[in-house]
Amino acid sequence: DAGITQSPRHKVTETGTPVTLRCHQTENHRYMYWYRQDPGHGLRLIHYSYGVKDTDKGEVSDGYSVSRSKTEDFLLTLESATSSQTSVYFCAISREGPGTQYFGPGTRLTVL
Amino acid sequence: SQQGEEDPQALSIQEGENATMNCSYKTSINNLQWYRQNSGRGLVHLILIRSNEREKHSGRLRVTLDTSKKSSSLLITASRAADTASYFCATSVNNDMRFGAGTRLTVKP
Repeated sequence: DAGITQSPRHKVTETGTPVTLRCHQTENHRYMYWYRQDPGHGLRLIHYSYGVKDTDKGEVSDGYSVSRSKTEDFLLTLESATSSQTSVYFCAISREGPGTQYFGPGTRLTVL
Repeated sequence: SQQGEEDPQALSIQEGENATMNCSYKTSINNLQWYRQNSGRGLVHLILIRSNEREKHSGRLRVTLDTSKKSSSLLITASRAADTASYFCATSVNNDMRFGAGTRLTVKP
């Protein structure tokens, strides 16, 4: 987890409220990713970034948006949280697109 | 949909035995990676094998890749209790990484 932090680590929120999760890296890696992990599904890619202001959708992007205004920060926003977005969210970074990924410690989000 | 599918879903062995996990995938890939996840923690990268490679070793880990069968295997030799974790394969196609649901390995002391 060295070099990657996620905040908050735990959050409980109510349906319909906006939520923003933050990923911060000190490794100066170009690529950053947001995944969600649910039982029986492994990790699923939500969005990724291949540079400042450059982002693209992943497998499960509906209901999520991202922003990357600085190399070190990648924000994931749930505009209006739903119970189906209750999950553990992981951020990852890599030097190259299809290369080794380094993961943050995760954020456990519960939407009531 | 998941690209990689691990088999078995769960594996329980005694310390000192070898553990073999398999991964199958559906489309052509750039590379295949294996990760480990201890309970409640983030994933840790174990090994990456490129599509033009057939076998790689790292310590007690041995990974094989058969692109004709679209499958890979991870062998952990002389397992230890500390190897207890979930193991995931991940296939990479351009910038898109797809993970399987994982194999839960339990190594009994």
